Amino acid sequence: GQNIDQPTEMTATEGAIVQINCTYQTSGFNGLFWYQQHAGEAPTFLSYNVLDGLEEKGRFSSFLSRSKGYSYLLLKELQMKDSASYLCAVIYNQGGKLIFGQGTELSVKP
Amino acid sequence: GAVVSQHPSRVICKSGTSVKIECRSLDFQATTMFWYRQFPKKSLMLMATSNEGSKATYEQGVEKDKFLINHASLTLSTLTVTSAHPEDSSFYICSARRQAGYTFGSGTRLTVV
Repeated sequence: GQNIDQPTEMTATEGAIVQINCTYQTSGFNGLFWYQQHAGEAPTFLSYNVLDGLEEKGRFSSFLSRSKGYSYLLLKELQMKDSASYLCAVIYNQGGKLIFGQGTELSVKP
Repeated sequence: GAVVSQHPSRVICKSGTSVKIECRSLDFQATTMFWYRQFPKKSLMLMATSNEGSKATYEQGVEKDKFLINHASLTLSTLTVTSAHPEDSSFYICSARRQAGYTFGSGTRLTVV
């Protein structure tokens, strides 16, 4: 399997910074996405990394290390509306399948 | 932007009946679509890859005779849950691959009673 691992749940305080880690099997790796999902809705695209380094987009940043099979999503200036599930997903070479990790349920508290 | 229209959004069916879910790409041609299912508080599990004009490729453990996939045109893929049972109740979502990434349908909440 592709063994995409991320923490099941995290809790953070409004205004703070939170980092959600993701590790994955490197064989066949062809890119990594981060999505946000609210219950009963489709995932919403947050970021895409295919090269090593940091991609910044407003309050959200994503980092990738291909050699380590590691990525993280960094959320700054947390807001209550950021409470959601965050999904790490990897594209693997075989037919471009997008495989998801188990998702991290983030709770932002006042 | 690219849109994938998924219907129905919700369906309740009786045990033993079949249900068809449609995913249609509205402004682009989707040669490949992916079908996922998601249980409450779980992530998206890939069920199968749907390729236009050819047989779908199913993931290990997914019954191809139970989850029939048809991708007869470049804009439409369908998933039919045959002889549905309560354990098939789930959130089903499709995704189309594009050069710029993946576009998801809005999902179908299936409840089998």
